[in-house]
Amino acid sequence: KAGVTQTPRYLIKTRGQQVTLSCSPISGHRSVSWYQQTPGQGLQFLFEYFSETQRNKGNFPGRFSGRQFSNSRSEMNVSTLELGDSALYLCASSLGGTNTIYFGEGSWLTVV
Amino acid sequence: DQQVKQNSPSLSVQEGRISILNCDYTNSMFDYFLWYKKYPAEGPTFLISISSIKDKNEDGRFTVFLNKSAKHLSLHIVPSQPGDSAVYFCAASAERGSNYKLTFGKGTLLTVNP
Repeated sequence: KAGVTQTPRYLIKTRGQQVTLSCSPISGHRSVSWYQQTPGQGLQFLFEYFSETQRNKGNFPGRFSGRQFSNSRSEMNVSTLELGDSALYLCASSLGGTNTIYFGEGSWLTVV
Repeated sequence: DQQVKQNSPSLSVQEGRISILNCDYTNSMFDYFLWYKKYPAEGPTFLISISSIKDKNEDGRFTVFLNKSAKHLSLHIVPSQPGDSAVYFCAASAERGSNYKLTFGKGTLLTVNP
């Protein structure tokens, strides 16, 4: 059974650009959540989608957005990139409820 | 305001001994707690969890203890093995019936020396 797959794994962007990251959840999982990991702030919740609906959002500016497709795949977008957006972006999926959430390997974003 | 705190950035233990990783939280609404392990260049891997209605949960070499009155939990690894060397994250959820929104501590780097 394939795990959570994130693409791309590594990318470099310039300030002001926008970026889209993709996540394919484990087959059958309908809940997809996104986290940002930085050395200073640790792992922080961005948002979660279930059946194409955003159920909850963390404390991030509106430049961070996401969506989920009917096949449960999800994308997150960051517009007008800032240097501080450089981070590891982790996607996680689960069956929902109190079931375990499984993380992908992450997408490393560097903003220069 | 850090709601989940792991006050020890690092811990070093000898192979075969016990590793104890600690975690404190401030939000009394947290009702579900998890521990994740993370190797470099990989995503976090789920280890063990505990509901607030319990005070202990065991899974093989891993045991998590929860002290609700002290808002403290700990992860015990016995015996520790070199392959356990990783960053350990404590996480908590306040979403009753769902743990998709987790608040993480900043992690503790465990090094198990042969």
